[in-house]
Amino acid sequence: ETGVTQTPRHLVMGMTNKKSLKCEQHLGHNAMYWYKQSAKKPLELMFVYNFKEQTENNSVPSRFSPECPNSSHLFLHLHTLQPEDSALYLCASSQGGQGGDEQFFGPGTRLTVL
Amino acid sequence: RKEVEQDPGPFNVPEGATVAFNCTYSNSASQSFFWYRQDCRKEPKLLMSVYSSGNEDGRFTAQLNRASQYISLLIRDSKLSDSATYLCVVNTNTNAGKSTFGDGTTLTVKP
Repeated sequence: ETGVTQTPRHLVMGMTNKKSLKCEQHLGHNAMYWYKQSAKKPLELMFVYNFKEQTENNSVPSRFSPECPNSSHLFLHLHTLQPEDSALYLCASSQGGQGGDEQFFGPGTRLTVL
Repeated sequence: RKEVEQDPGPFNVPEGATVAFNCTYSNSASQSFFWYRQDCRKEPKLLMSVYSSGNEDGRFTAQLNRASQYISLLIRDSKLSDSATYLCVVNTNTNAGKSTFGDGTTLTVKP
């Protein structure tokens, strides 16, 4: 039980669809992250929020749009995706603020774009 | 050069073997260090933090060498269940968002 939940766990969508991924953390953390992991590839950091403010956007295409309404919730809005966007999308949280702290990951959403 | 580099692997070892992974980092200002484990099609999970004095947790020993800018993970008496990808993580900044993950080293422990 990691304390970080993600929904849905699996998602299949067409290139013209709009969908959203949801992440919720129950750990009282202040920082949240989105990562992408394509098959047999390393983790790619997408976005970071620290105290609800976006502090990192790792040159992510605009078809991915993050939203962080509060420190416990993080969304990733998806629209007009491409087949190469199919991947495992992982959310993580950490204490945030000052300090090089460890991250706790959710189980991920496995996304397939047709 | 990548900020964090790991042994490419894969490592295939028999049960009971001792195996060691190394990870080098390029930024001398790096602050904190971790080893994560990721099973196939699962999320990464923290295995252990790496402290300057080195630390041990059962069969796992992590060490940090700041002068040479590398960290290591030693697994003794390997078990089948140790088969996974091991990720080296380096935090370069004191603010959230500066974690850099290595590409991972895959370990397969065989009977």
